[in-house]
Amino acid sequence: AQSVSQHNHHVILSEAASLELGCNYSYGGTVNLFWYVQYPGQHLQLLLKYFSGDPLVKGIKGFEAEFIKSKFSFNLRKPSVQWSDTAEYFCAVQGGGADGLTFGKGTHLIIQP
Amino acid sequence: NAGVMQNPRHLVRRRGQEARLRCSPMKGHSHVYWYRQLPEEGLKFMVYLQKENIIDESGMPKERFSAEFPKEGPSILRIQQVVRGDSAAYFCASSPPSVKNIQYFGAGTRLSVL
Repeated sequence: AQSVSQHNHHVILSEAASLELGCNYSYGGTVNLFWYVQYPGQHLQLLLKYFSGDPLVKGIKGFEAEFIKSKFSFNLRKPSVQWSDTAEYFCAVQGGGADGLTFGKGTHLIIQP
Repeated sequence: NAGVMQNPRHLVRRRGQEARLRCSPMKGHSHVYWYRQLPEEGLKFMVYLQKENIIDESGMPKERFSAEFPKEGPSILRIQQVVRGDSAAYFCASSPPSVKNIQYFGAGTRLSVL
């Protein structure tokens, strides 16, 4: 069975700091990888996705993620965070022919002005 | 283009009652997925449906839970004889037939069982 591990449950940063949120998954086959964001009071929105090709993918709002197959990782990065990035971030994996996504527990990011 | 619509947003039931959660996919989307999020947990996949067909129900509890996606109308997640452990946020997602790997989520229904 697939599993997804997000290392940090709560992260607090100051504005303009750099961000990296870790995500590791357990499935050994071909996978599709996703990062979703949930702003306070809103629904989950897709930040970025990786299906194949260039392992460095760029998403909305200045976010990017790097797929490192040998490490089973798909870490999310942003060079300079803003107060409006305060949200819950979820890493998700889809693999093994399954249609459903396997989510991590989420990382609650708080950006202090 | 309206997003995935879920209603109600909040639902309160007493133990033993039935809960019916509705999900209207985005226009043009024929694939629907249901997920459950327990407190302090990530979303857990429950079921994947296409119009009038259940494709994958590997995440559905064996008893009391059922889902449908009729030819007309929204998808329904039905929980019979609810128990306190059913209290959770239930999210629906939809995807178009051509790009079914990208799932668009609704705002969720928060079920509270008293």
